[in-house]
Amino acid sequence: AQSVTQLDSHASVSEGTPVLLRCNYSSSYSPSLFWYVQHPNKGLQLLLKYTSAATLVKGINGFEAEFKKSETSFHLTKPSAHMSDAAEYFCVVRGNNRLAFGKGNQVVVIP
Amino acid sequence: DGGITQSPKYLFRKEGQNVTLSCEQNLNHDAMYWYRQDPGQGLRLIYYSQIVNDFQKGDIAEGYSVSREKKESFPLTVTSAQKNPTAFYLCASAGLTDTQYFGPGTRLTVL
Repeated sequence: AQSVTQLDSHASVSEGTPVLLRCNYSSSYSPSLFWYVQHPNKGLQLLLKYTSAATLVKGINGFEAEFKKSETSFHLTKPSAHMSDAAEYFCVVRGNNRLAFGKGNQVVVIP
Repeated sequence: DGGITQSPKYLFRKEGQNVTLSCEQNLNHDAMYWYRQDPGQGLRLIYYSQIVNDFQKGDIAEGYSVSREKKESFPLTVTSAQKNPTAFYLCASAGLTDTQYFGPGTRLTVL
């Protein structure tokens, strides 16, 4: 079965400093991995997706993630946080036509 | 959220009542999904449907029912058998790729 672990359920970053959200996955297959963002009382928006084409994946709003098979990781980064990045972020792995979600990282951006 | 609509945005239910949440998509996607979101728990799969007139139980189907009579529509009924229905409900759809796109959600509160 597929599963995802997101460390640091809450993260505070200062505006203009880097963002790092960590994700480790478990999968029996060559995984498809995703990062989604959710603003309060909204649906989930796709940030980026890994499907084996390239290990460094660039997404929207300046986010990127690197797939490391040896570490079973798919960490999300952004060089410089913006106030609008305050939201909840979910790492997701796909398997058996279903998605397995991490518990989420709540990001607070300090002005 | 584009292409997937959920209604209503907020829903209040008295104990013992059944309520139905609407999900419609105009993306021509074959697959549709219902998730429940509780604080700090990520998203959990309730039901999914990969084709019209067919659907499967997810991880927490008890107390819920669905139908898939049309490709565009996948309504979810929360029955009185669901012991703790207060949550945020998200609908998603997916086409030929394995990327799921989410609606804006319905917040259900039991009074």
